[in-house]
Amino acid sequence: DTGVSQNPRHKITKRGQNVTFRCDPISEHNRLYWYRQTLGQGPEFLTYFQNEAQLEKSRLLSDRFSAERPKGSFSTLEIQRTEQGDSAMYLCASSPWGASQPQHFGDGTRLSIL
Amino acid sequence: DAKTTQPNSMESNEEEPVHLPCNHSTISGTDYIHWYRQLPSQGPEYVIHGLTSNVNNRMASLAIAEDRKSSTLILHRATLRDAAVYYCILRDGSNYQLIWGAGTKLIIKP
Repeated sequence: DTGVSQNPRHKITKRGQNVTFRCDPISEHNRLYWYRQTLGQGPEFLTYFQNEAQLEKSRLLSDRFSAERPKGSFSTLEIQRTEQGDSAMYLCASSPWGASQPQHFGDGTRLSIL
Repeated sequence: DAKTTQPNSMESNEEEPVHLPCNHSTISGTDYIHWYRQLPSQGPEYVIHGLTSNVNNRMASLAIAEDRKSSTLILHRATLRDAAVYYCILRDGSNYQLIWGAGTKLIIKP
């Protein structure tokens, strides 16, 4: 049973550059979530997909953030024109459909902005 | 906004039981109580969840107060590998979001 996979694990980039992260969920899970986590805090919800449909994106931090899930499989999170404040851990989770189904998380992508 | 209250940190001795409390006085009838934990440099890991009745699984037990305004996560025999931040989260049955607080940092002493 493979878990949620996130790539890359670490990303270092200069301010102003664009970055893209990938998440491969557990194959039978149709829900996929993106979170951001800063040091000492719990994860902060960003967006969520059910299959290929992005059902909630109002929590994306700014219009520089966007996410896709083509064909309802893997997902990408893109940050354009990165800023110092974007430095954080970006977490992806997936779950089956269902009212109380737990979310299964990947180990995240740590973004550092120079 | 986090709807749960947890102590910032707790210490316990290895091989002893650990009781991690969580207060959720504003819980509604459709809120499930979820627990996750996060080890250093890893993503959060699901531990257990429940609605009204106490729950047991291979990792832990969840004891839910009769009025559901509080709950306790029980690790029956703590090991050093249980040192982590433990999060107690309320999740509405119709809600996709998990709203996280700062959690309880559990320190296990050998």
